[in-house]
Amino acid sequence: DVKVTQSSRYLVKRTGEKVFLECVQDMDHENMFWYRQDPGLGLRLIYFSYDVKMKEKGDIPEGYSVSREKKERFSLILESASTNQTSMYLCASTRQGLSDTEAFFGQGTRLTVV
Amino acid sequence: AQSVAQPEDQVNVAEGNPLTVKCTYSVSGNPYLFWYVQYPNRGLQFLLKYITGDNLVKGSYGFEAEFNKSQTSFHLKKPSALVSDSALYFCAVRGGLTGGGNKLTFGTGTQLKVEL
Repeated sequence: DVKVTQSSRYLVKRTGEKVFLECVQDMDHENMFWYRQDPGLGLRLIYFSYDVKMKEKGDIPEGYSVSREKKERFSLILESASTNQTSMYLCASTRQGLSDTEAFFGQGTRLTVV
Repeated sequence: AQSVAQPEDQVNVAEGNPLTVKCTYSVSGNPYLFWYVQYPNRGLQFLLKYITGDNLVKGSYGFEAEFNKSQTSFHLKKPSALVSDSALYFCAVRGGLTGGGNKLTFGTGTQLKVEL
């Protein structure tokens, strides 16, 4: 059974803290993505990575950074958490090629910044 | 820039009636289109995809979608709705290679409510 695993389901952090959200996939996928989901706004892409140590900004990268040191792991970093980063965060992965292109998602991390 | 529009925030339908959830897209090159479903407090689950070939694509749980290139649409359909189909539905488009990667862009989602 293929899997994308996010390290936490629920997380509460204080304003100004550095926050790490971890995502691991066991499908040997080249592409990995971080989205945030907010009511009425759908899924917005924060960053994605198409290879180890490679990354591209998505639509809303401000206040975030990412790290991909190994193919299976993609980390999202909030350098200094703020209350407007309270959201549901979803990690996904896909293959690079034209077949088997659907994305597999983790269960999500609901982050609350107080 | 690629984009997806889901014009309806919510769709209400009676059980047993056909349902349609609308999606239009904008992308350069050939579109790769997807539908996902999300149940409360869960991640997204893949329903179906269009890559190439027949314009009518069949997927999981009796859902299908029709690709229309001239209207840049990819509407999700089901002939007979079930109460258990009630969920949040997302349309997505994958663009071509960008710096070696494949950006995946989602719409804002449509809440489907099926009532008895």
